[in-house]
Amino acid sequence: AQSVAQPEDQVNVAEGNPLTVKCTYSVSGNPYLFWYVQYPNRGLQFLLKYITGDNLVKGSYGFEAEFNKSQTSFHLKKPSALVSDSALYFCAVRDYRRGNNRLAFGKGNQVVVIP
Amino acid sequence: NAGVTQTPKFRILKIGQSMTLQCTQDMNHNYMYWYRQDPGMGLKLIYYSVGAGITDKGEVPNGYNVSRSTTEDFPLRLELAAPSQTSVYFCAEGAGDEQFFGPGTRLTVL
Repeated sequence: AQSVAQPEDQVNVAEGNPLTVKCTYSVSGNPYLFWYVQYPNRGLQFLLKYITGDNLVKGSYGFEAEFNKSQTSFHLKKPSALVSDSALYFCAVRDYRRGNNRLAFGKGNQVVVIP
Repeated sequence: NAGVTQTPKFRILKIGQSMTLQCTQDMNHNYMYWYRQDPGMGLKLIYYSVGAGITDKGEVPNGYNVSRSTTEDFPLRLELAAPSQTSVYFCAEGAGDEQFFGPGTRLTVL
């Protein structure tokens, strides 16, 4: 089945430092990959997606993600983290084999940005 | 547009009680989904629908039922609540690659 893995439980970063949240994928066929963010007591919000084309994808709130086919990775990045970026981040892949626009989500990474 | 609305926001049930979680979208999109979120487990798909009158099981459908009589509404029914159904429930809708989530319902079964 299509799946993603987020190996870290929590990422701590100082405000102003670069932020990276890791995601690796396992798919058959071309991967359609997504990042979502969840702020406390809220639903998930779409950040960005990779379908085809440039390996560097730009998204909302200054985030970007790099698709690396050889390493089967899709890491989320932000050059300079803000305290307001503290949230839960989910990587997801479209699960075509189950059809109908279903997404398979990773377990999520808690990001804590330290002032 | 409000997007996806969910009611109630919070609910405490006793074991064996039943309830319906309401979900309404105003984007006129065909696809709708119900997920549950448990700490450290990510989101698990319970049921989904590709249009009015069509529903299908997701990864964890046991103990739940859904219906989709209109494009706008996609209620989730718990018939006999169990402690294992304590979770946060999210409804989502989408028309293509992206899914748009409601604010969630926090359910506790005691």
